[in-house]
Amino acid sequence: KQEVTQIPAALSVPEGENLVLNCSFTDSAIYNLQWFRQDPGKGLTSLLLIQSSQREQTSGRLNASLDKSSGRSTLYIAASQPGDSATYLCAVRPSGNKLVFGAGTILRVKS
Amino acid sequence: SQTIHQWPATLVQPVGSPLSLECTVEGTSNPNLYWYRQAAGRGLQLLFYSVGIGQISSEVPQNLSASRPQDRQFILSSKKLLLSDSGFYLCAWSVLQNTEAFFGQGTRLTVV
Repeated sequence: KQEVTQIPAALSVPEGENLVLNCSFTDSAIYNLQWFRQDPGKGLTSLLLIQSSQREQTSGRLNASLDKSSGRSTLYIAASQPGDSATYLCAVRPSGNKLVFGAGTILRVKS
Repeated sequence: SQTIHQWPATLVQPVGSPLSLECTVEGTSNPNLYWYRQAAGRGLQLLFYSVGIGQISSEVPQNLSASRPQDRQFILSSKKLLLSDSGFYLCAWSVLQNTEAFFGQGTRLTVV
């Protein structure tokens, strides 16, 4: 059974700091991995999608890496801003038709 | 561009009452559609998914059911709500099973 773990559960940093969010999964047989952002009481916004054959994806200040063999992904946020405060969710798509989610990392960026 | 709509945004229902949540997708054809539930302090759990009209797969046994009467419409229902049905319900779509998934804004359901 695929399980996804996100560390840390919560993170508080000052504005401008670079930070790394971690995601690990137990079964390396995945189609892809997707990072989402969720604001309080809102739906999920897709940030980055990494296919199983890729090593990383970048979008603006965000960079996500994937090491499928070790079951790990990281989301790197450069020069964090208060507007980055949200819950960040990692999800993997194993063989099948669903996403398996981690519990998320709650990020707070202080101004 | 593609958009996904969910309604209502919030709902308070008494125990034993029926439920109908609707999700529609615009700007794409034959999407894969999903219903997820997010309980407080827990990750998202897949409830149902559909690869076409009338085709519903259930991931977990529960008090809920789903239907897909039209290509871009996905409905989550219950005949009699339980307290444990409270949660945040999210509809999602993707073109294929191995492509990017997009989520709606969710429905906050409180059963009292």
